[in-house]
Amino acid sequence: KQEVTQIPAALSVPEGENLVLNCSFTDSAIYNLQWFRQDPGKGLTSLLLIQSSQREQTSGRLNASLDKSSGRSTLYIAASQPGDSATYLCAVRDRGQAGTALIFGKGTTLSVSS
Amino acid sequence: NAGVTQTPKFQVLKTGQSMTLQCAQDMNHNSMYWYRQDPGMGLRLIYYSASEGTTDKGEVPNGYNVSRLNKREFSLRLESAAPSQTSVYFCASRETAGSTDTQYFGPGTRLTVL
Repeated sequence: KQEVTQIPAALSVPEGENLVLNCSFTDSAIYNLQWFRQDPGKGLTSLLLIQSSQREQTSGRLNASLDKSSGRSTLYIAASQPGDSATYLCAVRDRGQAGTALIFGKGTTLSVSS
Repeated sequence: NAGVTQTPKFQVLKTGQSMTLQCAQDMNHNSMYWYRQDPGMGLRLIYYSASEGTTDKGEVPNGYNVSRLNKREFSLRLESAAPSQTSVYFCASRETAGSTDTQYFGPGTRLTVL
């Protein structure tokens, strides 16, 4: 059974700092991996999608990497801002189950202070 | 284009009462999902529907039923609510086209069972 773990559970940084959020998964046979953002009391917003054949994806100040062989992904946030404060969720979709759901980690709650 | 909508936003039930959570998407997506989110547990899949007319159990289906009424709508029913079903419920739909694989989430329904 696929399990997704995110470390750390919470992170506080001053504005301007670069930071890395970590995600690990137990079964490397994944279809893709996605990073989401969730603001308090809100739904989830998709940030980045990495297909199993890709190594990384970038969007603005965000860069996500994928190392399937080691079962790891990282989300790099450059020059953090207070508006980046949110919970970041990593999720994988297993290969061979394209119609089934994402399996989520429990998230990292990020707080960026000004 | 409203995306994924959920009703109601908030609900309080007494133990044993029944209710249906409604979800609709206007993006013509085939796949739809119901998750619950609990503190310390992350998002867990309740049921999903890979296409109109099909539904399948997820990780935590006990105590719930679903109906894929048509391509747009996917409802979740609690027949006899229990305090353990106090949670935030999210509906999602999935867009797949070429290399795109994006999951869109509704704003959630916050349910309290007394």
